[in-house]
Amino acid sequence: GQQLNQSPQSMFIQEGEDVSMNCTSSSIFNTWLWYKQDPGEGPVLLIALYKAGELTSNGRLTAQFGITRKDSFLNISASIPSDVGIYFCAGPPSGTYKYIFGTGTRLKVLA
Amino acid sequence: EAQVTQNPRYLITVTGKKLTVTCSQNMNHEYMSWYRQDPGLGLRQIYYSMNVEVTDKGDVPEGYKVSRKEKRNFPLILESPSPNQTSLYFCASSLVASGGTDTQYFGPGTRLTVL
Repeated sequence: GQQLNQSPQSMFIQEGEDVSMNCTSSSIFNTWLWYKQDPGEGPVLLIALYKAGELTSNGRLTAQFGITRKDSFLNISASIPSDVGIYFCAGPPSGTYKYIFGTGTRLKVLA
Repeated sequence: EAQVTQNPRYLITVTGKKLTVTCSQNMNHEYMSWYRQDPGLGLRQIYYSMNVEVTDKGDVPEGYKVSRKEKRNFPLILESPSPNQTSLYFCASSLVASGGTDTQYFGPGTRLTVL
């Protein structure tokens, strides 16, 4: 089945650093969603993007819907220890009602 | 409190013994979905339902069945579980399937082990 490619797969960063991760697809998406999963929990929505080129922020998080509609980016500024977790991109490919998730970026923050 | 609940949270069973994992949401959502999560593979959609009596296959439907007789419930059925179905399962729901209100809310997960 189709999957979204996320990079990097994992990151170790120092507290206070900025983080960037991206997600790419071979097909067009009309919606891009970014989720965070804490250990032992289900994913929780961070940011939703609905238009090509859209840039949306949620506190220290900023996400962008790529112009080609085949990619999206998530940035976290001034990371803190509670940012630790797995970040997933997701969305329904254009013309479908299925949901495809990326393989995830595992973030570890060193205090 | 708005939530998606799943039961059981943990289950160990043996190959071939039929089981059902229940999922219920109290938000009057139309869209419900089941995912499995395996290390390195992210979440993969098993089945989804657009509304009562409307279900469709996701990316990995083999070996699973679902039903949507009521809006709030979406059980996942494994008629004859096999070890390769050992995984972490999540149920999710959203108001509608798409169109700007498709934020999915996830349940707490069910960890299934098939021996």
